[in-house]
Amino acid sequence: NAGVTQTPKFQVLKTGQSMTLQCAQDMNHEYMSWYRQDPGMGLRLIHYSVGAGITDQGEVPNGYNVSRSTTEDFPLRLLSAAPSQTSVYFCASSPREGSNTEAFFGQGTRLTVV
Amino acid sequence: GNSVTQMEGPVTLSEEAFLTINCTYTATGYPSLFWYVQYPGEGLQLLLKATKADDKGSNKGFEATYRKETTSFHLEKGSVQVSDSAVYFCALSDRGGGADGLTFGKGTHLIIQP
Repeated sequence: NAGVTQTPKFQVLKTGQSMTLQCAQDMNHEYMSWYRQDPGMGLRLIHYSVGAGITDQGEVPNGYNVSRSTTEDFPLRLLSAAPSQTSVYFCASSPREGSNTEAFFGQGTRLTVV
Repeated sequence: GNSVTQMEGPVTLSEEAFLTINCTYTATGYPSLFWYVQYPGEGLQLLLKATKADDKGSNKGFEATYRKETTSFHLEKGSVQVSDSAVYFCALSDRGGGADGLTFGKGTHLIIQP
């Protein structure tokens, strides 16, 4: 019953460091995405993927890279962390779009950049 | 572009009180509408949804009706419990509700006091 699993749960980075946030889902979902949640801003879409080998930008993609080599995994890379990237990051997955689809979210990664 | 506006909290109520959280949206076309709930320390989970005008979504005593004429999707519950304390997000999607295309409001923090 794993669903969407994100690691790590917490991370502190220094400005300029790089890191990868991991996301894995075991529901064989085609769609996966990354959102960031900031106080007073709701959730905003960073990048998304509609299948292995296919990615696209969301509303706030700058400073982040993604790739989708398998259906299960969708890592988010920060190449050079900045304080503005301090946020809570959520990975989500869903089946192919349709009238009854639903997004499933991981528990989040709280990232602090100092 | 698409946008969602919801009342900002925190909203503090006593147990057994009536709850309304207002949500209005702007979208081209006919989006699907959603309410997601985030309990402390957890990811978002779908509470209810409606996919066309006049549809009523309901779950766990909560309900919301898709009102196209007023572009609204207000969340209501007749008698709230302490366990309903959480952050509630109104969202829309013109892609069916999958992980790739959700637009969220800023969230409403609900606090229920015994």
